[in-house]
Amino acid sequence: DAKTTQPNSMESNEEEPVHLPCNHSTISGTDYIHWYRQLPSQGPEYVIHGLTSNVNNRMASLAIAEDRKSSTLILHRATLRDAAVYYCILRDVWKAAGNKLTFGGGTRVLVKP
Amino acid sequence: NAGVTQTPKFQVLKTGQSMTLQCAQDMNHEYMSWYRQDPGMGLRLIHYSVGAGITDQGEVPNGYNVSRSTTEDFPLRLLSAAPSQTSVYFCASSYRGRGNEKLFFGSGTQLSVL
Repeated sequence: DAKTTQPNSMESNEEEPVHLPCNHSTISGTDYIHWYRQLPSQGPEYVIHGLTSNVNNRMASLAIAEDRKSSTLILHRATLRDAAVYYCILRDVWKAAGNKLTFGGGTRVLVKP
Repeated sequence: NAGVTQTPKFQVLKTGQSMTLQCAQDMNHEYMSWYRQDPGMGLRLIHYSVGAGITDQGEVPNGYNVSRSTTEDFPLRLLSAAPSQTSVYFCASSYRGRGNEKLFFGSGTQLSVL
């Protein structure tokens, strides 16, 4: 399975944007890029996913590099509630049977008031 | 709509005891799975199921059994608990997909084995 690399931690000020990078240089053409986040003492929560094009939803935006070897999750205006560990995960279309996600260490986001 | 419900939330066992962690979902999802999360680590897949009657092993299956007799329920059994199984356990479910489906997670069961 293709591997992802994320910074261990990032800090942001409240109401400012947060850009979370993810490198996946060995991504295959059939890998979806998923982001989940885990708030303290909770289970992971789906944030967004994409394949080739940039994606937006009410929680965040996902910017995918043209060569797909990296992506960036963008939280437009961080709130204290966005403090969590954010996981960037690749899911291969051909190996996706079942809820098989491979979690790395993720990026711990700290939001300062 | 309750989503994914896990019980109990907390459990303390002695080495060698057995127990079952319960997981139920009310979204008619075909896929269900169990993960464990050790302190400071990401989640690791224990077992998964693609439908009633069908289960398979994940990354760390040793010491755990599962069965899926209904679409709604996916219990995880520890036959003889060991201190190495102290962890937080998460159940997840989703619709059948091809890599683009989103998973819904329960709130977790914190298990301590003494």
